[in-house]
Amino acid sequence: EPEVTQTPSHQVTQMGQEVILRCVPISNHLYFYWYRQILGQKVEFLVSFYNNEISEKSEIFDDQFSVERPDGSNFTLKIRSTKLEDSAMYFCASEARNEQFFGPGTRLTVL
Amino acid sequence: RKEVEQDPGPFNVPEGATVAFNCTYSNSASQSFFWYRQDCRKEPKLLMSVYSSGNEDGRFTAQLNRASQYISLLIRDSKLSDSATYLCVVPTSSNTGKLIFGQGTTLQVKP
Repeated sequence: EPEVTQTPSHQVTQMGQEVILRCVPISNHLYFYWYRQILGQKVEFLVSFYNNEISEKSEIFDDQFSVERPDGSNFTLKIRSTKLEDSAMYFCASEARNEQFFGPGTRLTVL
Repeated sequence: RKEVEQDPGPFNVPEGATVAFNCTYSNSASQSFFWYRQDCRKEPKLLMSVYSSGNEDGRFTAQLNRASQYISLLIRDSKLSDSATYLCVVPTSSNTGKLIFGQGTTLQVKP
């Protein structure tokens, strides 16, 4: 069964450093998303992406964040200058027939 | 009213019990609803989609009451493997695919 994959599974970085989180959505899906979940809290929407552009972004998704689909398979989330409060689990999702399927997540730890 | 609200639990039940979780939502324009299951430190996994008054899949039944803006999930004959957090998820009406997650209800099934 096709699934969304994400790399790395765990990323540790120093405050102020840039990180790139990678996702490979399910092939033939056209809608892509990033969500995050701070430990012990609910899953929060970050951004939706369709047809090579952002269709909606949340207040969390400020100008330190960016997304890109550099080729036909990868979908990346970049955080330019990480802050302590960016520590969270980041989930990528792709959608078909109105149903979203999530990757296993990248645990980001900012020290 | 919060966008999506759930009783966090935990619900502790014996194997074989029937358990029901409730969820209320604030956006009366929402047309579709989802229950996801999340195991500890894992990604949300789609359990059921609800588009009309309800849906049934084996031991799981989801019901929707649009007038009361209320969704429920019923699990019959609980198994140890049902132990997880159950997330009530509602799309926004923005048509961008953004999902709003409830905080989740934790279920612990004991032998």
